[in-house]
Amino acid sequence: AQSVSQHNHHVILSEAASLELGCNYSYGGTVNLFWYVQYPGQHLQLLLKYFSGDPLVKGIKGFEAEFIKSKFSFNLRKPSVQWSDTAEYFCAVRSGGATNKLIFGTGTLLAVQP
Amino acid sequence: GAVVSQHPSRVICKSGTSVKIECRSLDFQATTMFWYRQFPKKSLMLMATSNEGSKATYEQGVEKDKFLINHASLTLSTLTVTSAHPEDSSFYICSARDSSLTDTQYFGPGTRLTVL
Repeated sequence: AQSVSQHNHHVILSEAASLELGCNYSYGGTVNLFWYVQYPGQHLQLLLKYFSGDPLVKGIKGFEAEFIKSKFSFNLRKPSVQWSDTAEYFCAVRSGGATNKLIFGTGTLLAVQP
Repeated sequence: GAVVSQHPSRVICKSGTSVKIECRSLDFQATTMFWYRQFPKKSLMLMATSNEGSKATYEQGVEKDKFLINHASLTLSTLTVTSAHPEDSSFYICSARDSSLTDTQYFGPGTRLTVL
């Protein structure tokens, strides 16, 4: 069965610090990969996605993620975080199989201190 | 991006009653919608996959007779929590898959259900 793990449950950074959130998945076949963000009191929003092609994907708000197939990883990065990036970040994987279910990681709560 | 709405946003009901939650894709057609449950400080747990015009597919451990799902049109899916109990209190989130070129799931704002 597919699974997604996010190793950092809670991250605290100061503004302008660099961010990297880890995401690893277990599935041997073709996958689609996503990062979603949930700001306080708001619904999930898509940050970026990877389906195929260039493994370095750029998303909204200066975020990017790199798909490393050999490591089954899809880590999220941002060179310089802002206070407004405080939110919960979810990595998600969808297999290319018939079910096409989106499986979520447990989420990483990011708090950016001004 | 695409918009998915949910109604109601909050509902409080008595134990034993049934509650219906609506999920609508506002600017795209969704042949597939998903229902999730989010527990405090936890990730989203997929409850079921709803396909337009056919029966929903439930995840293991989710009672299909308790959580009735109907997907009667390409823009509407409903989740009915039947005979609700306090342990059903949770945050229910729907998602609609845009099967066009973007092939992305968009999420609704969620419904906070509290069963007294």
